[in-house]
Amino acid sequence: QVLLMQSGTEMRKPGASVEVSCKASGYTFTSYYLHWVRRAPGQGLEWMGAVNPGNGITTYAQRFQGRITVTSDTSTSTVYMDLSSLKSEDTAVYYCARDTGRDSTSFDYWGHGTLVAVSS
Amino acid sequence: SYELTQPPSVSVSPGQTARITCSGDELPKKYVFWYQLKSGQAPILVISDDSKRPSGIPERFSGSSSGAVATLTIAGAQVEDEADYYCYSTDTSNNPLFGGGTKLTVL
Repeated sequence: QVLLMQSGTEMRKPGASVEVSCKASGYTFTSYYLHWVRRAPGQGLEWMGAVNPGNGITTYAQRFQGRITVTSDTSTSTVYMDLSSLKSEDTAVYYCARDTGRDSTSFDYWGHGTLVAVSS
Repeated sequence: SYELTQPPSVSVSPGQTARITCSGDELPKKYVFWYQLKSGQAPILVISDDSKRPSGIPERFSGSSSGAVATLTIAGAQVEDEADYYCYSTDTSNNPLFGGGTKLTVL
């Protein structure tokens, strides 16, 4: 079955960077985009960006441009999301989600989430 | 900017029907997906393409869409259905977009 296993809780100070990983299994890794979505406390879901593991091409939400980098490692079927210049407002649960593979973006399987806490 | 609007909360008693709406001007031209979020768990897709129920989702979950409003219906809501529900679609530029989320309380 499709599984997306995410890395554990991270705590950072403002201005630092964080990397969250998402290891995929149960399907052909290179055949589906993987996305990153976050939910801050008291806020809704927010799409951040995605990578096509087949060719490494990425797409990012405009508000994260310049701060986010999403990469993929086909040897380990793992996707990474790096977020830099962290602010307290970046405190959130970060999810990876697999694209359904259709013409328009949508998501079928999700990871369990990774809490990133940013505090001085 | 384009938004998907959901009620912040819906409350029903066990066995009652819960309806959660999602409104957006582009919805007549776009599919809506519904996701269930419980704290500490992976989000689950409960409805795709306005009204399709993925394998493993209980039959009490259904979806519909009419004009600019999509609706998630849980017929005979159970205590275990208590969760946050988010609608999802894309905007005019095909950018991913979530609704603000609805907290469903079943008690």
